[in-house]
Amino acid sequence: QQKVQQSPESLIVPEGGMASLNCTSSDRNVDYFWWYRQHSGKSPKMLMSIFSNGEKEEGRFTVHLNKASLHTSLHIRDSQPSDSALYLCAASKASSFSKLVFGQGTSLSVVP
Amino acid sequence: EAAVTQSPRNKVAVTGGKVTLSCNQTNNHNNMYWYRQDTGHGLRLIHYSYGAGSTEKGDIPDGYKASRPSQENFSLILELATPSQTSVYFCASGDAGGSSYEQYFGPGTRLTVL
Repeated sequence: QQKVQQSPESLIVPEGGMASLNCTSSDRNVDYFWWYRQHSGKSPKMLMSIFSNGEKEEGRFTVHLNKASLHTSLHIRDSQPSDSALYLCAASKASSFSKLVFGQGTSLSVVP
Repeated sequence: EAAVTQSPRNKVAVTGGKVTLSCNQTNNHNNMYWYRQDTGHGLRLIHYSYGAGSTEKGDIPDGYKASRPSQENFSLILELATPSQTSVYFCASGDAGGSSYEQYFGPGTRLTVL
């Protein structure tokens, strides 16, 4: 069964610092990746998606994808306390594009 | 913004009882999904649907049934609830696909089986 592994499990960064989160798929047929953010007690909301090799930037958030290694990373610069949340990585295959497999998540805490 | 609602928001059930979780979306999305979330496991897909009348098994379907009577509604049914089904359940909807594909999640249902 396809697995999506995230690291680290938890991360503490100082306010204004850089947070780096990692995600790797064990299935070589995976083509697409998403990052979702879930604040405590709330539902997940999509942050960014990346489908091609390279980098995508949206404000303070940058996502990288290396399809050869099936690895994606999310970088948050100038981290804010409001960024404290569970970050979930998801992946899917071209044959079942809309069927996402989620990783276990990385819990990020941004401390003042 | 896309709207997905779930009911009930909290439910306490007894072992062996029947539980029905309901989900409604007003986005006119074709696809709907049921996930459960447990600490250390992220979101795991239970059942999903591509449209009214269709249901498909997800990655952990055992002990669950699903029903999609209309475009808007998708139910998750636990015929014989067990304590291992204690969890937070999320419903989501999404359109068919594309570069801007996104799943929209409901607020979740916290289910406790005693």
